[in-house]
Amino acid sequence: DTEVTQTPKHLVMGMTNKKSLKCEQHMGHRAMYWYKQKAKKPPELMFVYSYEKLSINESVPSRFSPECPNSSLLNLHLHALQPEDSALYLCASSQAGAAEYEQYFGPGTRLTVT
Amino acid sequence: AQSVTQPDIHITVSEGASLELRCNYSYGATPYLFWYVQSPGQGLQLLLKYFSGDTLVQGIKGFEAEFKRSQSSFNLRKPSVHWSDAAEYFCAVGAGTNAGKSTFGDGTTLTVKP
Repeated sequence: DTEVTQTPKHLVMGMTNKKSLKCEQHMGHRAMYWYKQKAKKPPELMFVYSYEKLSINESVPSRFSPECPNSSLLNLHLHALQPEDSALYLCASSQAGAAEYEQYFGPGTRLTVT
Repeated sequence: AQSVTQPDIHITVSEGASLELRCNYSYGATPYLFWYVQSPGQGLQLLLKYFSGDTLVQGIKGFEAEFKRSQSSFNLRKPSVHWSDAAEYFCAVGAGTNAGKSTFGDGTTLTVKP
């Protein structure tokens, strides 16, 4: 199974809402990633978890809160977002958090903040 | 720090024609290089990767890429393009000093004419 699943596929939320994005992989990968992607742009790295510990935070605003409950699951908790946070949020995983490993991406969650 | 340049923002080719997408990287040592493809509204899929050995790398869907150290390039090629190849293509470089952190180019949009 080489699949990364993400739920929900689409999410519309108001600026005062709290919501969560979920990502799951069953490939035994020990590194998981959250990216934000705007239209016609490359993915921007937000967070990296390596062996369930946060290893990289790319200075992401605190209204985004990642969580890695176990090696297969990655969540992104959202609170008090701004309209400019509307984007495609991609989850990825790799064998380990090292540069030589390719990343497997999920299909993304299309987030709209109203 | 590493960087990636994809000089062509948009390329249009006719179905059945050959394709070459350019990628130039900047990194002091031998980099880990990847090509990903993204169809509209989808996640990224790995086409191929290079980190050592034979400089001509074969990937999925009939794609290949050649690593040229002297030119700091990793260009993607396909001898005969199919309409289903229309997508966004991203070149990425991973470097050992930034474990788990790949740097993506800005992408090249491929349009295929019938």
